[in-house]
Amino acid sequence: QLRLQESGPGLVKPSETLSLTCDVFYDSMNTYYWNWLRQTPGKGLEWIGYVYSNGSPNYNPSLKSRVTMSVDTFKNQFYLELRSVTAADTAIYYCARLGDYLDNGGTYFGHFDFWGRGILVSVSS
Amino acid sequence: DIQLTQSPPFLSASVGDRVNIACRASQDITNFLAWYQQKPGKAPKLLIYAASTLQSGVPSRFSGSGSGTEFTLTIRSLQSEDFAAYFCQQYKTYPLTFGGGTTVEI
Repeated sequence: QLRLQESGPGLVKPSETLSLTCDVFYDSMNTYYWNWLRQTPGKGLEWIGYVYSNGSPNYNPSLKSRVTMSVDTFKNQFYLELRSVTAADTAIYYCARLGDYLDNGGTYFGHFDFWGRGILVSVSS
Repeated sequence: DIQLTQSPPFLSASVGDRVNIACRASQDITNFLAWYQQKPGKAPKLLIYAASTLQSGVPSRFSGSGSGTEFTLTIRSLQSEDFAAYFCQQYKTYPLTFGGGTTVEI
């Protein structure tokens, strides 16, 4: 069964770039959307964006100016870069896959069917 | 962005109880709604998608209903392992958004 695992530094200094990697195990990344989300006690769960297996991204407008996502299907990995971080970016970061299903003759994506365990990233000097 | 409002934020219940958690959307999302369970220190786990379709492996005591702007997650007979936080999520439009969560506690 598919498994995802986040990795990266747990501490980033303010104004620097947060960089995370998600490894995808036991299945191909092709034809799926690969997502980053984060969770804080104050703001709850927040979708950061996705990168499709062909490299096309879609970002949350609230973070779009600071985010870049990319994918390497040969390595079975995808990546998050969040620039110019502040304390407000301190959160648990998750990678997740958008699942698909058939309904009324069409294929829909939108729910997160597989998640990584999450990685706590703190922004502090 | 589509806002999702869950109620109640906290719910006290006992084993064997029937529990209902509501999720209201700020606009019509048809049936593009998912529900998740999250236990402390763990990632959310998908329970239901398309408002009422049970994810494979999820116990049948969980069910979802609703369409448009009003949705409900029902746990038919609460078990000890069901004490957790529950979130709804819409995928009608981007950005994808989540409700604020409901914590089911003893």
